[in-house]
Amino acid sequence: EAGVVQSPRYKIIEKKQPVAFWCNPISGHNTLYWYRQNLGQGPELLIRYENEEAVDDSQLPKDRFSAERLKGVDSTLKIQPAELGDSAVYLCASSLRAQDNTEAFFGQGTRLTVV
Amino acid sequence: RKEVEQDPGPFNVPEGATVAFNCTYSNSASQSFFWYRQDCRKEPKLLMSVYSSGNEDGRFTAQLNRASQYISLLIRDSKLSDSATYLCVALTDSWGKLQFGAGTQVVVTP
Repeated sequence: EAGVVQSPRYKIIEKKQPVAFWCNPISGHNTLYWYRQNLGQGPELLIRYENEEAVDDSQLPKDRFSAERLKGVDSTLKIQPAELGDSAVYLCASSLRAQDNTEAFFGQGTRLTVV
Repeated sequence: RKEVEQDPGPFNVPEGATVAFNCTYSNSASQSFFWYRQDCRKEPKLLMSVYSSGNEDGRFTAQLNRASQYISLLIRDSKLSDSATYLCVALTDSWGKLQFGAGTQVVVTP
């Protein structure tokens, strides 16, 4: 069975440019997470979906970040405009149903470099 | 104060030795915990789940102390391949919010 798939794996953009990341979760997983991980830090939650509903976006910088999960499957995370401080690894994860204490499975991440 | 705190290490461990480290959490309502392993430039992968007082899987043992609000991970007979960063994760609410610690780096040396 395929795991969580993310693309692209790497992205280098100039500041003020837009960028988008895509995530395909494990089939049947209702919960989808977007995390950001800086070097030497643990993943920090940006947004969490239960099916197509964003149930926790309190840490998403909404002035420049947006996300969607159409039809409760694939998800995209967008940054517009990007800033130098956005350089990080963006991780997508999914779980069957987070409320049932099931573990989250991660994709390989998108490494973003803003120059 | 962060919700989940870990000693960043590194813990330098001779091959074959035992190493243990803790993770503290601030939200007493946290119900479940996980240990993830993350290799350099890779994604986190689940190592163990901890739902009650503890869990054991081969050379790895996790203990949960709810009174003192910490979880420990012990690695016995360390292998070179155990070198990684170990992330402690708490499920902090009933709606599935996963809170990660910053990780503890373990380096197993020959």
